[in-house]
Amino acid sequence: QVELVESGGGLVKPGGSLRLSCVASGFTFSDHYMSWIRQAPGKGLEWISYISSGPGTNIKYADSVMGRFTISRDNAKNSLYLQMNSLRAEDTAVYYCARASSTVVTQPFDYWGQGTLVTVSS
Amino acid sequence: DIQMTQSPSSLSASVGDRVTITCRASQSVNSFLNWYQQRPGKAPKLLIYSTSSLQSGVPSRFSGSASGTDFTLTISSLQPEDFATYYCQQGYSTPITFGQGTRLEIK
Repeated sequence: QVELVESGGGLVKPGGSLRLSCVASGFTFSDHYMSWIRQAPGKGLEWISYISSGPGTNIKYADSVMGRFTISRDNAKNSLYLQMNSLRAEDTAVYYCARASSTVVTQPFDYWGQGTLVTVSS
Repeated sequence: DIQMTQSPSSLSASVGDRVTITCRASQSVNSFLNWYQQRPGKAPKLLIYSTSSLQSGVPSRFSGSASGTDFTLTISSLQPEDFATYYCQQGYSTPITFGQGTRLEIK
């Protein structure tokens, strides 16, 4: 069965860095676009980045994280990453990794991880 | 950016009721409109994709439709497990955007 497991969240001071990981299993990881989506406490869902299938040459970011966050993938390790630098209080959220249902970016997110909480506070 | 506006923001209903949630896109998203259900403390779950296609394993009481840039999620007969928050999402263009959510509560 498809499973996505995030890790790497925690408490970090403003201006600090954190690297999130998402390990995938139960499907051919390299065949799918992958995204990071976050949810601030009590708020709605915010897409923040995607990376294309295969070598991951097509990458997009939301304006809110552009220049601070970097998405990457390692297909040999079935893993997705999010390097987060220059963190701000408003980055506090549960971060989900999510699978797009195919190799096409327009496809829906059909599987989600359980989320990892990132708290940015002094 | 394409703005997705859901209405209502919250809704009270009873078991057995028919419920409709609307999502309006600020511009065309073609048919690339998806609906998710999120229960408290859980990850979102895909219900409907491409406007009206039912995700595998989702009960048939859930359905989706569209009229222009207005999209609708309908639950034909509410069950206790349906009380949750619902989000629409467009996948037509980047940035991918979600509606603000509709919280469905028990009356």
